[in-house]
Amino acid sequence: EPEVTQTPSHQVTQMGQEVILRCVPISNHLYFYWYRQILGQKVEFLVSFYNNEISEKSEIFDDQFSVERPDGSNFTLKIRSTKLEDSAMYFCASSKDRESSPLHFGNGTRLTVT
Amino acid sequence: SQQGEEDPQALSIQEGENATMNCSYKTSINNLQWYRQNSGRGLVHLILIRSNEREKHSGRLRVTLDTSKKSSSLLITASRAADTASYFCATPMEYGNKLVFGAGTILRVKS
Repeated sequence: EPEVTQTPSHQVTQMGQEVILRCVPISNHLYFYWYRQILGQKVEFLVSFYNNEISEKSEIFDDQFSVERPDGSNFTLKIRSTKLEDSAMYFCASSKDRESSPLHFGNGTRLTVT
Repeated sequence: SQQGEEDPQALSIQEGENATMNCSYKTSINNLQWYRQNSGRGLVHLILIRSNEREKHSGRLRVTLDTSKKSSSLLITASRAADTASYFCATPMEYGNKLVFGAGTILRVKS
């Protein structure tokens, strides 16, 4: 069964550094998402992406964050200048369509900012 | 305001028993979804119930939806140790295409 893959599984970075988290969504899916989960807390929506542009973003997704689909397969999340509070699990997800379609999640990237 | 909220926050049962988790939400929805998360892993979609459905089954899972009370329940029958995980309900926001997740129920099934 096709799956969403994320790399790396764990990223450690120093405060102020830039990180890029990578995802390969399921190939025939059209909607792409990033969520994050701070340890022991809720899964929070960051951004959704469709037709090569952001369709929705949350308050968390400020100017430090950006997303890109540089080619036909990868979907990336960049954090320009990481802060301690960015430490979390970051999950990529994709879905076939917008409504009534389940999300398929990757196994996440654990980002640790020191 | 929170969209989906599950209760209980944690549930510990013996293998073979049934587990029931509840979810409440605030806005009108066209569907509600349940996901499972094993420790340190991504979320896995379990079941989607549409707003015009009252009950849905999938294997040992039974989901109900009461739109008048804005609530849903997930029942896992004959639980197994492998069912130990966190369970989340999720609802699409009224406008937009994002799913909003509740805080989840941590289920522990003891063998």
